[in-house]
Amino acid sequence: EVQLVESGGGLVQPGGSLRLSCAASGFAFSSYWMHWVRQAPGKGLVWVSRINGDASSIAYADSVQGRFIISRDNAKNTLYLQMNSLRGEDTAVYYCAREDYGAMQDWGQGTLVTVSS
Amino acid sequence: EIVMTQSPATLSLSPGERATLSCRASQSVSSSSLSWYRQKFGQAPRLLIYGASTRAPGIPPRFSGSGSGTDFTLTISSLQPEDSAVYYCQQDYRLPLTFGQGTKLEIK
Repeated sequence: EVQLVESGGGLVQPGGSLRLSCAASGFAFSSYWMHWVRQAPGKGLVWVSRINGDASSIAYADSVQGRFIISRDNAKNTLYLQMNSLRGEDTAVYYCAREDYGAMQDWGQGTLVTVSS
Repeated sequence: EIVMTQSPATLSLSPGERATLSCRASQSVSSSSLSWYRQKFGQAPRLLIYGASTRAPGIPPRFSGSGSGTDFTLTISSLQPEDSAVYYCQQDYRLPLTFGQGTKLEIK
């Protein structure tokens, strides 16, 4: 059974940093593209970033380009999102997702990031 | 950026009725790159349909997807109370990946 468990969310001040983790199990982690998707309170889903299996291909939404860094440790079956220079508009639940057949087949339960002073 | 527009914003139907949800892309996308997700209140999204028409594992046959080019449809035949949720379409054809704004389906 595929499991994705996010952690690392919390309250951070504007301008601060946070690193999210997504622990994966139940599948060959290194073989799959992985994504981060976020959802602001009461709003819709917004794609944030993706990374391929060997981290040779990475992409970001314009809204986080230059501030967020996606990475993965295939030995630890873990996906990361380093978030720097955080803003109020980054407040959201952050989900990690496994891609297969061009879709986000499996999702974690999400971790809440709140940016506020 | 490919803008995905869903309609209607809200749909209120009774159990047993048929729901038709629409998703329009601002430019043509490959059918293999169109997916539908369901998000129940307080839960993570769940994949329903990928490749425009292929049901994800465990999704019952009353969920079906169709369409091509810029116009796609999710149909839920014989609605059940547990179908109450927000439904999103998403394209994986061009970066940035984009989601529609969602259709809220209410079961009376």
